[in-house]
Amino acid sequence: GAVVSQHPSWVICKSGTSVKIECRSLDFQATTMFWYRQFPKQSLMLMATSNEGSKATYEQGVEKDKFLINHASLTLSTLTVTSAHPEDSSFYICSARPQGQGYVGNQPQHFGDGTRLSIL
Amino acid sequence: KNQVEQSPQSLIILEGKNCTLQCNYTVSPFSNLRWYKQDTGRGPVSLTIMTFSENTKSNGRYTATLDADTKQSSLHITASQLSDSASYICVVYGYEGYALNFGKGTSLLVTP
Repeated sequence: GAVVSQHPSWVICKSGTSVKIECRSLDFQATTMFWYRQFPKQSLMLMATSNEGSKATYEQGVEKDKFLINHASLTLSTLTVTSAHPEDSSFYICSARPQGQGYVGNQPQHFGDGTRLSIL
Repeated sequence: KNQVEQSPQSLIILEGKNCTLQCNYTVSPFSNLRWYKQDTGRGPVSLTIMTFSENTKSNGRYTATLDADTKQSSLHITASQLSDSASYICVVYGYEGYALNFGKGTSLLVTP
C-alpha cells in the first residue's frame, strides 16, 4: 500500500517549453503533497507544500510563477515548470502524506519515483 | 539553522559485510528521525521512523539507533547485499511547519 505515482519519469524538451509533472496517490487520499528538487549528490530540497483545495506554500527562493502547483483533488497534485530553461534541469520528486493519521509530525511521507527533467 | 549531517559521504564494502552509517542533527525541537533508502533515479523509500522515546528500530537487515540526548543516529546494515547499493538519507522532523530536514545522504556501494 501507500503508492505514489509520478509521471512522466523522464522528459527532455527544448528551452522555453512548459512541462507538467503529475503526482498521484494511488491507494490513499493525501491532503498534503510536497514537491522537492534534487541535484546530483545533493539532498532533497523542498520547493513547495501543496494542500488540496488551497494555494501552495512556496519555500523561500522558489518562484511561484515559474513553478505552478495545482492540487485539485485528494489524489492528484501537478507541478508545471513554465518556460523551462537549462538551469531548471533537475530531478523533481513529490511526496504525499496520508489524510488523517494522527499527529502530523509522526505521519509518514510516501515518495514518488521522481521525474528527470532535461532542458536542452 | 536546523542541520542534518551524515557520514561518511560514501562507502564501499564487500558483499556480506556489515556497515554503519552515521547521522548527527541539530534540529530542535525534535519530533522524529527517519532513514530512507534511495536507489539511483528513484524516489526515497522509508526504512525506519523513530520518535524521541525510541532507541532502536529494526527493519529486516537494517537497524537504526537513536540517541536523542547527543542528537545522533546510526543505521546498521547486516550481511550486505548487492541490492543494498544506494544512497541512505537521514531525515529529521521538527515541530515547526511540515518541512523535513534532509541530510545529503551516504552513498553505499556493495561490491561482489
